[in-house]
Amino acid sequence: DTEVTQTPKHLVMGMTNKKSLKCEQHMGHRAMYWYKQKAKKPPELMFVYSYEKLSINESVPSRFSPECPNSSLLNLHLHALQPEDSALYLCASSPLTAIAKNIQYFGAGTRLSVL
Amino acid sequence: EDQVTQSPEALRLQEGESSSLNCSYTVSGLRGLFWYRQDPGKGPEFLFTLYSAGEEKEKERLKATLTKKESFLHITAPKPEDSATYLCAVQTGGGNKLTFGTGTQLKVEL
Repeated sequence: DTEVTQTPKHLVMGMTNKKSLKCEQHMGHRAMYWYKQKAKKPPELMFVYSYEKLSINESVPSRFSPECPNSSLLNLHLHALQPEDSALYLCASSPLTAIAKNIQYFGAGTRLSVL
Repeated sequence: EDQVTQSPEALRLQEGESSSLNCSYTVSGLRGLFWYRQDPGKGPEFLFTLYSAGEEKEKERLKATLTKKESFLHITAPKPEDSATYLCAVQTGGGNKLTFGTGTQLKVEL
């Protein structure tokens, strides 16, 4: 089973709202990722957590705030977003074990619309 | 800076018409090359990973190959359900970052 579960599937929010995206995996993976994907573009890395610690932040604006409460859960807190932040937000995880350590498994994504 | 280029951008095939997708890369220290399939509105689905030149992987109608400069995804006798965007990504350096190409949008028609 290589399932990464993201909720909600769709989210519409105003520019003054605060919302959170959630990602969960129960595969024992120790790295988790947030990506942003605009239409007809490839995914762009935002954040990486390794062993529950933030290891990569790709200069993402502070209106995006990641959180990794435990090894199975990853959140992305959203505040004061702009319309250009509308996109598909993807979560991924990878094992970090010796075999197949680099393979990232993706969730189905959250389609975010900022009005 | 790592660069990944995929061609063609779009490809239309008739069912049963075999073809190849290309992923060329310029990186320092390749740790792995990955192929994903992405359906509209869904997350990328892992297909293959290749680690060294000369390596090949196969799955059903798909076969991925790797050289020192590029990778090919060969599709043999495609079916309409193979229609999707195929993404290539490279991993370099000591971190877990994937750098994606812009993808090839494949449409297979009856």
